[in-house]
Amino acid sequence: DAMVIQNPRYQVTQFGKPVTLSCSQTLNHNVMYWYQQKSSQAPKLLFHYYDKDFNNEADTPDNFQSRRPNTSFCFLDIRSPGLGDAAMYLCATSRDKREHEQYFGPGTRLTVT
Amino acid sequence: AQKITQTQPGMFVQEKEAVTLDCTYDTSDPSYGLFWYKQPSSGEMIFLIYQGSYDQQNATEGRYSLNFQKARKSANLVISASQLGDSAMYFCAMREGWGGTASKLTFGTGTRLQVTL
Repeated sequence: DAMVIQNPRYQVTQFGKPVTLSCSQTLNHNVMYWYQQKSSQAPKLLFHYYDKDFNNEADTPDNFQSRRPNTSFCFLDIRSPGLGDAAMYLCATSRDKREHEQYFGPGTRLTVT
Repeated sequence: AQKITQTQPGMFVQEKEAVTLDCTYDTSDPSYGLFWYKQPSSGEMIFLIYQGSYDQQNATEGRYSLNFQKARKSANLVISASQLGDSAMYFCAMREGWGGTASKLTFGTGTRLQVTL
């Protein structure tokens, strides 16, 4: 089945140790998104790629970076995780800019110790 | 200012009953879309229903319907014949603009629905 896959589902990292979360999709969608969702809060968009064009949200900290080496994969890099970065990270895709539905992956829950 | 407001942090409903989850929104853009997503405890966001700002009729998808009142800027989700599997967090979201940028969603804070026997 076509889907959005996130690995790992649970990630533990140490304070200040770089960590990478991965997302892959078999939907061949043009747009990929990364959201951060802290406990009991709404998901917050960090950035998105439209094809190879990277679009950062104005309030996304510099500590967060992203890479999209090809259509199928997108990575979220946290250069120096702080305790406040512990959250669920959701990857989503949409077919195109005008597509109204976003397809979400199961998320990666990040713990920072 | 909050763009999406969900005033019900938690709701209870008995199995087989209908329930309405409230959502109000704020935008000055004439072109926007409204969405409802379900998030079970597993974490995945599941798309339920969509309403475009120019849609004349209320959206329906199976047991889900969206009560869209444009003048009041409300987009309430109605779930009919509730099932135990409907217990989850429900998020209302809005996309503003059309085509200029990717489909950026702004989410509300969510309503936790608990279906009881």
